[in-house]
Amino acid sequence: DTAVSQTPKYLVTQMGNDKSIKCEQNLGHDTMYWYKQDSKKFLKIMFSYNNKELIINETVPNRFSPKSPDKAHLNLHINSLELGDSAVYFCASSHGTGSSYTFGSGTRLTVV
Amino acid sequence: KQEVTQIPAALSVPEGENLVLNCSFTDSAIYNLQWFRQDPGKGLTSLLLIQSSQREQTSGRLNASLDKSSGRSTLYIAASQPGDSATYLCAVDQAGTALIFGKGTTLSVSS
Repeated sequence: DTAVSQTPKYLVTQMGNDKSIKCEQNLGHDTMYWYKQDSKKFLKIMFSYNNKELIINETVPNRFSPKSPDKAHLNLHINSLELGDSAVYFCASSHGTGSSYTFGSGTRLTVV
Repeated sequence: KQEVTQIPAALSVPEGENLVLNCSFTDSAIYNLQWFRQDPGKGLTSLLLIQSSQREQTSGRLNASLDKSSGRSTLYIAASQPGDSATYLCAVDQAGTALIFGKGTTLSVSS
């Protein structure tokens, strides 16, 4: 299946831990994104990579570090997790500005 | 800074009704506008994409219009069905950033 896939789907962890979320797309897209959906369901862009290069970083705390080993993968590593990091994180991909986006099914992160 | 607003925040209708969801944006310098559907606990499904040069797009019972100069878009759903119940999200694409979303309209269609 052609898609954007994220793992894990659910992640429950304690405050202070470090965790990673992985994302892969097999659509041949050049650009990948991480979005955060808060408790009020509002989706906000965090990062965008084009061909492994960071192009958007929307004032996200530096505890969040995206890593793109190749243009099909964009992983999100979060250090020193805080309660406020609890949210659903969505990965997406596209051919770039002006084209359609495809979203993954999301990773629900709960920090306790 | 671009802001996207969706009205109403929630809508309940009986099955069979035609309905309109509204989206407005403050900066008309967009490449396109996209409508998505999100089911509870699920990801986003792309419904329609309207390029800035287009006025409308249709897919089945869905019709989306775009008036770029006035910063408005509508999503028209004909003959609504219970399976249409979901949150509908509007998003605009513009230079220098990624898709900017509204807060969505949660639709409930009762049988």
